[in-house]
Amino acid sequence: QVTLKESGPVLVKPTETLTLTCTVSGFSLSNARMGVSWIRQPPGKALEWLAHIFSNDEKSYSTSLKSRLTISKDTSKSQVVLTMTNMDPVDTATYYCARILSSGWSGYNWFDPWGQGTLVTVSS
Amino acid sequence: DIQMTQSPSSLSASVGDRVTITCRASQSISSYLNWYQQKPGKAPKLLIYAASSLQSGVPSRFSGSGSGTDFTLTISSLQPEDFATYYCQQSYSTPNSFGQGTKLEIK
Repeated sequence: QVTLKESGPVLVKPTETLTLTCTVSGFSLSNARMGVSWIRQPPGKALEWLAHIFSNDEKSYSTSLKSRLTISKDTSKSQVVLTMTNMDPVDTATYYCARILSSGWSGYNWFDPWGQGTLVTVSS
Repeated sequence: DIQMTQSPSSLSASVGDRVTITCRASQSISSYLNWYQQKPGKAPKLLIYAASSLQSGVPSRFSGSGSGTDFTLTISSLQPEDFATYYCQQSYSTPNSFGQGTKLEIK
C-alpha cells in the first residue's frame, strides 16, 4: 500500500523559514518514472502546485515562488523535504505531498496518491 | 506558464443528473490533462489521467474527453457521494497548474 505523510510545524511566524517533510512508504524514491510533488491549498481556495522532484533528482519549481523554495530528497529515509523561506500570512494553507506516476515514453504523469495534508498557519 | 480555466465555478444538480464540467488550457496541452475530486477536509483523489483514462477503482459513470485546449469531465448519473469539488490539472509542462475548481452541489 502506497502512503505519503506530511509533517512539520503547524504555526510559523512571518519571515521564518518553513521546513516540511514528506515520508513515503510502499514505493522507493529511486523508482524510475516516479517522483513527489508538493501542492498547497489556502483555506477555501484552489490547489496550487509548488514543486516536484523525480528519482533522477530532476527538480522544478513554481514560477512565482521559485526564489523561496527548495526541494530535496533522502532516498535512504524515504523522505522528501520542502523548504520555503520568508513566510507570510498569505502562505497559510494546507500543504500536500503527492506521488507522481509517469507513464513512460509518452510522458503522461499524474498525482496519485496524495498525503492527508498538513495545515500551516503563518501568524505572529 | 499555462493557465487552466474551469467552468462553471459552481454547479447545482440532482441525483441522477448528467453533469459536464469544462476545463480550458491557455495553450495546447495535447492530452496531458488530469481530473481530481476533493471532498471537504480531504485530500484530492485522482479520477482521470491522460484526459480520458479512468483511474482504477473509479466508477465508470466518470469519463473524460478532449485534447489540445478543451477538455470535459462527465458524470453520467450523479450519485450522492459525487457532490464535491473537481479540479483539472495539466502535466504538459512545468510548472504544472490546476484549474480554480468546480464545486458540485446538491440542488
